[in-house]
Amino acid sequence: GAVVSQHPSRVICKSGTSVKIECRSLDFQATTMFWYRQFPKQSLMLMATSNEGSKATYEQGVEKDKFLINHASLTLSTLTVTSAHPEDSSFYICSARDSVNSNQPQHFGDGTRLSIL
Amino acid sequence: GDSVTQMEGPVTLSEEAFLTINCTYTATGYPSLFWYVQYPGEGLQLLLKATKADDKGSNKGFEATYRKETTSFHLEKGSVQVSDSAVYFCALSDRSNDYKLSFGAGTTVTVRA
Repeated sequence: GAVVSQHPSRVICKSGTSVKIECRSLDFQATTMFWYRQFPKQSLMLMATSNEGSKATYEQGVEKDKFLINHASLTLSTLTVTSAHPEDSSFYICSARDSVNSNQPQHFGDGTRLSIL
Repeated sequence: GDSVTQMEGPVTLSEEAFLTINCTYTATGYPSLFWYVQYPGEGLQLLLKATKADDKGSNKGFEATYRKETTSFHLEKGSVQVSDSAVYFCALSDRSNDYKLSFGAGTTVTVRA
């Protein structure tokens, strides 16, 4: 069964709306989670590393104020796309790494398809 | 820095054909290597992994061997099925990069009945 739950799976909203996406590790603790963005027919682009209890680390070119990340507990990270516009439409995927077994593979959520009208 | 290069495809095969997807990597340390599979509209699922040289990962009839001498991790399956149609990503993670995953571009595989 799924060990990382990502919600919602699909969002359609108007331009200017802020959208929150949740990523939960279900049966392990994850001090580190990752947020990716995937454009059609392309690979995953790492946006940021979410660290429990501290600020997220953003990759170069990713706007911190646009993509707000909060990692308030050992099992939950949220990504908020603020004032979303059509160019933010994409497939967003999170992953989580087991804090105890850090050399184990990351587990991925099922992704969130965001469509901004 | 770390990087992964994989055959981009698309690859179209007939059922029961042999599949190979090439993957090579560059890394500063001793990475772990992975193949992930993404079915349409879904997230990524781990297909197989190898953590050190000469390790062979296998799952669902797929195999890949960690070849340090050629810095490769080619994915193979002897007899594909229609249900194997998906996008396959080669990836590595390295302790020196805090275990961040570096992905290849992905290879779209379509298997026809």
